[in-house]
Amino acid sequence: TQLLEQSPQFLSIQEGENLTVYCNSSSVFSSLQWYRQEPGEGPVLLVTVVTGGEVKKLKRLTFQFGDARKDSSLHITAAQPGDTGLYLCAGVGSGYSTLTFGKGTMLLVSP
Amino acid sequence: ETGVTQTPRHLVMGMTNKKSLKCEQHLGHNAMYWYKQSAKKPLELMFVYSLEERVENNSVPSRFSPECPNSSHLFLHLHTLQPEDSALYLCASSPGVYSNQPQHFGDGTRLSIL
Repeated sequence: TQLLEQSPQFLSIQEGENLTVYCNSSSVFSSLQWYRQEPGEGPVLLVTVVTGGEVKKLKRLTFQFGDARKDSSLHITAAQPGDTGLYLCAGVGSGYSTLTFGKGTMLLVSP
Repeated sequence: ETGVTQTPRHLVMGMTNKKSLKCEQHLGHNAMYWYKQSAKKPLELMFVYSLEERVENNSVPSRFSPECPNSSHLFLHLHTLQPEDSALYLCASSPGVYSNQPQHFGDGTRLSIL
């Protein structure tokens, strides 16, 4: 069974701070997806990282896929209250297979 | 118009009731999914449909019964549920059933079992 561990489980910070959340597994994934779920809504895909060592940027969000394709990180620069939400990582297997989700990191950014 | 629409948004029911959750996608996708989201647990995949055929059933109790009449609509029929079934039920769709394709989620139905 493939498992994804996300840390921290909960993070409460002030507006303007930087933060990093992690997604780790003992399994190799062909790619990894990051979703954000805002309160009262469903998850929305932010990015997919495919190549080991890949770095993708989405405005103030930087996503990195580990060289061995077992782990990933999300770094947010100068967090804003609009970044508040549950950040989920999901590992992608090969061929026909379902996504493996982590439990998520709940981020609260206060003004 | 949102891509994936779920109704109702909230549902409170007794253990002996029968109700149905509805999901509709306007994205032209061929695959649809039901997930259960409980506090402090990963998203749990319940059912997968590809072109109206069920391709995966993750050991879900028979009190949950899915139905996919066409590739745009997905239902989850509920019967004799237990308190531990209280959760957020999310529907998703994707172009095809291969996992490398991004999934588009609805906003979920918050289900409370009394």
